[in-house]
Amino acid sequence: GAGVSQSPSNKVTEKGKDVELRCDPISGHTALYWYRQSLGQGLEFLIYFQGNSAPDKSGLPSDRFSAERTGGSVSTLTIQRTQQEDSAVYLCASSLRSVSYNEQFFGPGTRLTVL
Amino acid sequence: KQEVTQIPAALSVPEGENLVLNCSFTDSAIYNLQWFRQDPGKGLTSLLLIQSSQREQTSGRLNASLDKSSGRSTLYIAASQPGDSATYLCAVKLDSNYQLIWGAGTKLIIKP
Repeated sequence: GAGVSQSPSNKVTEKGKDVELRCDPISGHTALYWYRQSLGQGLEFLIYFQGNSAPDKSGLPSDRFSAERTGGSVSTLTIQRTQQEDSAVYLCASSLRSVSYNEQFFGPGTRLTVL
Repeated sequence: KQEVTQIPAALSVPEGENLVLNCSFTDSAIYNLQWFRQDPGKGLTSLLLIQSSQREQTSGRLNASLDKSSGRSTLYIAASQPGDSATYLCAVKLDSNYQLIWGAGTKLIIKP
């Protein structure tokens, strides 16, 4: 069966440009998570969706970052006016529900490079 | 604030050896702890999940232990194979919270 997919797999952009990263969760998974992994660092939680709503946006590093989810499925993470420190691998995960014990399944990630 | 540390950051061993990866966390109030494997370009794969009430979990050649009181977990890999080469990440889930707090990972290389 299909797992979590993300696109693009790689994105190179110039400083100051906006980028959109897409995540397609596993069908039927109501919870969706975005993480960021900078070089040599652990994963950093960004935002969590339950359905289409985002009860926790506490991990978004600045107001340049936003995310939305439509139809309880696809999610888009948008970074406006990108900076070099935004360069990282952005990982998306989904789970059946948001309760603590539910396993999160991860996509392959989008590697973002800001020149 | 919960912090997760993994030691060593990198490890290279010959094929066939048994090895141990370490994960420590600063706050013992965790709900569970997971070990993941990360292969380049392939995202993360969950290996083992240990609930806070459990001491260990086993899957094939992998065994993960948990000692909440000391804030430690170990991942034991028996009879290592070149296909085990990957980065291994541990993550803890806080009580009643869906967030995962991650270690920086151990990059493992198994030499044929």
